[in-house]
Amino acid sequence: GESVGLHLPTLSVQEGDNSIINCAYSNSASDYFIWYKQESGKGPQFIIDIRSNMDKRQGQRVTVLLNKTVKHLSLQIAATQPGDSAVYFCAGTNTDKLIFGTGTRLQVFP
Amino acid sequence: KAGVTQTPRYLIKTRGQQVTLSCSPISGHRSVSWYQQTPGQGLQFLFEYFSETQRNKGNFPGRFSGRQFSNSRSEMNVSTLELGDSALYLCASSVSGGQGTGELFFGEGSRLTVL
Repeated sequence: GESVGLHLPTLSVQEGDNSIINCAYSNSASDYFIWYKQESGKGPQFIIDIRSNMDKRQGQRVTVLLNKTVKHLSLQIAATQPGDSAVYFCAGTNTDKLIFGTGTRLQVFP
Repeated sequence: KAGVTQTPRYLIKTRGQQVTLSCSPISGHRSVSWYQQTPGQGLQFLFEYFSETQRNKGNFPGRFSGRQFSNSRSEMNVSTLELGDSALYLCASSVSGGQGTGELFFGEGSRLTVL
């Protein structure tokens, strides 16, 4: 079946450094991807999305890169801050169902 | 603008009982989706409702059901609870629905513990 996964369960970065969170997917028909951030005790919060007709999209301090050839996407967070500490999920869809990855916990240390 | 509201936030049930969870979407949002979140399985899609109709369904047994009312509020029900049903149940709303048409706005979830 189709799957969306993340490479690392935990990522530790120093405050001020850039963070890169990776995600792989199996369904080449997936045409829409979203990154969510989930802080402890809260529901997931939308960060940024990208459609398959793009390979890069930028937001505020965040950039999502999509490589359809290897079915991989990444979330880059510039100048990581303590408030970025959370679990990050990628999700992909082929228009009828959103499949979530298992999440990467980002830990930011001073 | 109020966000997605889920009630109750926490509840404890025993095996064999049933539970009903409620979700009020953001005003104007007509699509409501439900997800089960567990440490081992991550976020698993349960079902989506749009205009009172179930539009999509995940791979969960029939013990899991839901409905949506004319005001877009939604409920999900789990009957004959099992220990493995312990999880955080998340509701998400969107304007037009369709899992691939836009961002989902999540509530803070209902944490169910089955003893």
